[in-house]
Amino acid sequence: EIVLTQSPATLSLSPGERATLSCRASQSVSSYLAWYQQKPGQAPRLLIYDTSNRATGIPARFSGSGSGTDFTLTISSLEPEDFAVYYCQQRSNWPVTFGPGTKVDIK
Amino acid sequence: EVQLLESGGGLEQPGGSLRLSCAASGFTFSNYAMSWVRQAPGKGLEWVSAITGSGGSTYYTDSVKGRFTISRDNSKNTLYLQMNSLRGEDTAIYYCANSNGGIFDPWGQGTLVTVSS
Repeated sequence: EIVLTQSPATLSLSPGERATLSCRASQSVSSYLAWYQQKPGQAPRLLIYDTSNRATGIPARFSGSGSGTDFTLTISSLEPEDFAVYYCQQRSNWPVTFGPGTKVDIK
Repeated sequence: EVQLLESGGGLEQPGGSLRLSCAASGFTFSNYAMSWVRQAPGKGLEWVSAITGSGGSTYYTDSVKGRFTISRDNSKNTLYLQMNSLRGEDTAIYYCANSNGGIFDPWGQGTLVTVSS
């Protein structure tokens, strides 16, 4: 099973700042890495799939990069609605696995 | 609009059974693999089970093999999860999700399963 680790666990930033979230895989997942956003009391929402493809309706301030074992989700300028928990997920190997999440909170 | 609506959660004793349902609308249900993903209170996401569009193949995480059964009725656009021999560690919100190719989108709102005596 591929283990995903995310850093930092918590990121404290102000609106308008740039957020950089990291996801590292225990072995290569090629480009098969997705990112999800979850707000309190809500279901997760797909943001990015296959490293860098934004899902339908996702704003351009969200971008993804990386390959192999190291991936990054960047939020170029935080909006108030972006404060949430972000999970990475790989679909390269069965079973699919999720990272433990990074919480982006207001500084 | 694509919608997934889970139901069937609740409080059950250890060793008991529950059946979750997920009603789908807004897309051709039979064309898509579906999954159940759970989230224990205050914890992260864990994939539980998946089924192909035809229902011909099913997959499970190791911790639920032999206890949970995923199925679907494409004539009713509904996904199911039969959960037997429930344990405390099965306590979680259970989400259904369209999971074609291992990409989960969209998700239902979730149904809470609590296993406790």
